[in-house]
Amino acid sequence: DSGVTQTPKHLITATGQRVTLRCSPRSGDLSVYWYQQSLDQGLQFLIQYYNGEERAKGNILERFSAQQFPDLHSELNLSSLELGDSALYFCASSPQGTWRDEQYFGPGTRLTVT
Amino acid sequence: GESVGLHLPTLSVQEGDNSIINCAYSNSASDYFIWYKQESGKGPQFIIDIRSNMDKRQGQRVTVLLNKTVKHLSLQIAATQPGDSAVYFCAESLSGYSTLTFGKGTMLLVSP
Repeated sequence: DSGVTQTPKHLITATGQRVTLRCSPRSGDLSVYWYQQSLDQGLQFLIQYYNGEERAKGNILERFSAQQFPDLHSELNLSSLELGDSALYFCASSPQGTWRDEQYFGPGTRLTVT
Repeated sequence: GESVGLHLPTLSVQEGDNSIINCAYSNSASDYFIWYKQESGKGPQFIIDIRSNMDKRQGQRVTVLLNKTVKHLSLQIAATQPGDSAVYFCAESLSGYSTLTFGKGTMLLVSP
């Protein structure tokens, strides 16, 4: 158990809908990362937050957004969902959000768009 | 458990064999590399890392080799066990940046 929690574990929704994925980092970690894992694209970095502020942005679509709250939990919002958004979404956390930090991954949320 | 990929290269070994998993990284400027293990239904888990000023680093039953000339990374697992069965990913990063770029992954299957 990495100490990172993600909810829900599974999510099934229809095209065009909007969903919110939730992540609680390990106790004491200030930085949260979001990743998307799909069959054809592998594991891709989406976005990173550190202590409530966006720190780095990767291959995140404009339909997707995220935030980190004062209690350090984070949410990833996915809107206008398409079939291709079906994937595993992982959250990871690290203490200071630097390249030296080990990232600890949560168990993921499986999103299925029908 | 969850399947992370149906089209990954697969390495099948017998319990007790040594396993070698290879990875070609993309950015010649990358100077920090990590191997992750992902078991079915779980998130990736850190195994071992190496910085570009080294060409070899050893951990417990694992060794990572780095060849910067050909942008190649390998993970050697000694005395492979059924519990080592998982998908293995290499990841690269630039020091000073916190983001990781992951390779496609290799599935390791260990038969008892």
